[in-house]
Amino acid sequence: QLQLQESGPGLVKPSETLSLTCTVSGGSITSSSYYWGWIRQPPGKGLEWIANIYYSGSTYYNPSLKSRVTISVDTSKNQFSLKLSSVTAADTAVYYCAREFSVTTERKFDYWGHGTLVTVSS
Amino acid sequence: SSELTQDPAVSVALGQTARITCQGDSLRSYYASWYQQKPGQAPVLVIYGKNNRPSGIPDRFSGSSSGNTVSLTITGAQAEDEADYYCNSRDSTGNRVFGGGTKLTVL
Repeated sequence: QLQLQESGPGLVKPSETLSLTCTVSGGSITSSSYYWGWIRQPPGKGLEWIANIYYSGSTYYNPSLKSRVTISVDTSKNQFSLKLSSVTAADTAVYYCAREFSVTTERKFDYWGHGTLVTVSS
Repeated sequence: SSELTQDPAVSVALGQTARITCQGDSLRSYYASWYQQKPGQAPVLVIYGKNNRPSGIPDRFSGSSSGNTVSLTITGAQAEDEADYYCNSRDSTGNRVFGGGTKLTVL
């Protein structure tokens, strides 16, 4: 059974960089047709897609966050990571990592981590 | 446009049929997927592709599409179906997008 686990600081100061890692177990991050993504959810609000990455390094970013976001993959550790720079209180959210099956016209986020709450506060 | 629009709230009587819709230009070209989220939990995939259910999702959940609108239908809604529902798809540049979410209340 595939499992994803987010890890990283739960508290980040304003203007600093948020860094999270997702560790994948029970399957390989190099499986074809699968992207690996980050999605966040501010308290009481909806889901917001942040970025996706393929094991080869191909990436997609949410245009509204692109200037501040970097997603990367470490195939040797079966992990992928998120960095979000210059954070403000608006970046306070539960951050989820997820696996996305993606082929031509069809895609699905079929496995999700439990999510980790990151609070931006001094 | 890469936006997906959902009604904020839908209510349904217990045992009746609930329909949740999602509109967006990209839906004319790409399938959507649907996610159920209960308070304090991660989202769960309930429908993907033309009308496919992952293993373990009851067959009362179904999906359909017409033009720029996709729908999630729950036939014979149960109390445990009360949750937030989100649609997701991609735009022409490959970016993914979620709808704003619909809160389903089962009366």
